[in-house]
Amino acid sequence: EDQVTQSPEALRLQEGESSSLNCSYTVSGLRGLFWYRQDPGKGPEFLFTLYSAGEEKEKERLKATLTKKESFLHITAPKPEDSATYLCAVQAWGNAGNMLTFGGGTRLMVKP
Amino acid sequence: DTGVSQNPRHKITKRGQNVTFRCDPISEHNRLYWYRQTLGQGPEFLTYFQNEAQLEKSRLLSDRFSAERPKGSFSTLEIQRTEQGDSAMYLCASSYDPNSPLHFGNGTRLTVT
Repeated sequence: EDQVTQSPEALRLQEGESSSLNCSYTVSGLRGLFWYRQDPGKGPEFLFTLYSAGEEKEKERLKATLTKKESFLHITAPKPEDSATYLCAVQAWGNAGNMLTFGGGTRLMVKP
Repeated sequence: DTGVSQNPRHKITKRGQNVTFRCDPISEHNRLYWYRQTLGQGPEFLTYFQNEAQLEKSRLLSDRFSAERPKGSFSTLEIQRTEQGDSAMYLCASSYDPNSPLHFGNGTRLTVT
């Protein structure tokens, strides 16, 4: 069974204080690893897809990296508007519907 | 592209009542998914449609839950004889093909009293 564990569950940062969020996974065969951002009362918003170990993707202050066992979401010089829950999900090969298995998320709070 | 639309946004019902939610996916997307999310947890997969065919159902989907997607367009999720444990956010997502990311709607929040 595919499993995704995210840590920490919650993270408080001062504006400008860089940090990383962790996503550890076990999957029968990784087709893709996804990062989403979710604001309170809203649905998840797609950020990145990573397909193979060593791959990196960047968007503004966010950079996602992937190894064979985990992914990191690095946040450089965060701003208060980066406050949200960040969700990691895996998609396995042989999964006819391409369903995603999600972790529990990391709730990020950036204080001015 | 108006995104995935879900209605209603909020639903409060009494235990034992039936409820139905609607999802309108992005128009050119033929894949549609239902997920459930409880407070502080990540979304959990419920069921998946490719066009009008329901191809996958989770063990989480008890026989009180039924989903349809007539004509491969919008979808409905019905919960019969609601229980307090059904209280959650019900999320709908759609995608264009196996290589495309899922795009989520803003969900329907169900409260069962």
